[in-house]
Amino acid sequence: EVKLVESGGGLIQPGRSLRLSCAASGLTVSTSYMTWLRQAPGKGLEWLSIIYASGRTYYADSVKGRFIISRDNSKNTVYLQMNSLRADDSAVYYCADYGAYNGKLDPWGQGTLVTVSS
Amino acid sequence: DIQMTQSPSSVSASVGDRVTITCRASEDITRHSTWYQHKPGKPPKVLIYAASVLESGVPSRFSGSGSGTYFTLTINGLQPDDFATYYCQQAHTFPLTFGGGTTVEIK
Repeated sequence: EVKLVESGGGLIQPGRSLRLSCAASGLTVSTSYMTWLRQAPGKGLEWLSIIYASGRTYYADSVKGRFIISRDNSKNTVYLQMNSLRADDSAVYYCADYGAYNGKLDPWGQGTLVTVSS
Repeated sequence: DIQMTQSPSSVSASVGDRVTITCRASEDITRHSTWYQHKPGKPPKVLIYAASVLESGVPSRFSGSGSGTYFTLTINGLQPDDFATYYCQQAHTFPLTFGGGTTVEIK
């Protein structure tokens, strides 16, 4: 069974940094296309970033220059380093495996809540 | 970026009803669309991918159709477990983008 478990969320002050982790089991992050998404309270789903098997990365404009996706193959874990956090970054953050051949995001982790507030 | 315009934003329906949700892409995405069901406190679940392929384990009352810029998700015979929010998503280009969501509520 493929399982993704996010961690690292919490309450953080505006302007600070936070790193989220996505630990994978049943899949190998180094050969997968791993993504981060979020859902702000009362809002829809927003794609944030992807790291290809090749290591290439892409970002949504809303987080480009502030967020960095990376992975540690030895830990089979993907990270999202979030810098210069703002109140509108408050959301449930999900990681998901992106199927490059079928375009589906599956599976998803359970999500981790990030609240940016003073 | 490709915009995905989903309608309606909400629909009230009864058990047994047929519900259709539409999604329009701002440009041709061929058949690169996916539909998700999302319930509070849980991650989204894939229902349909590649516009019309039913995900394994998803009941056959769910179906998807369309290509190019127009896509639909149909639920034939709504069940109590189907009351949720549904999203379309395009996988044609990055950034991946989602429709605004459709909440299916109990009438």
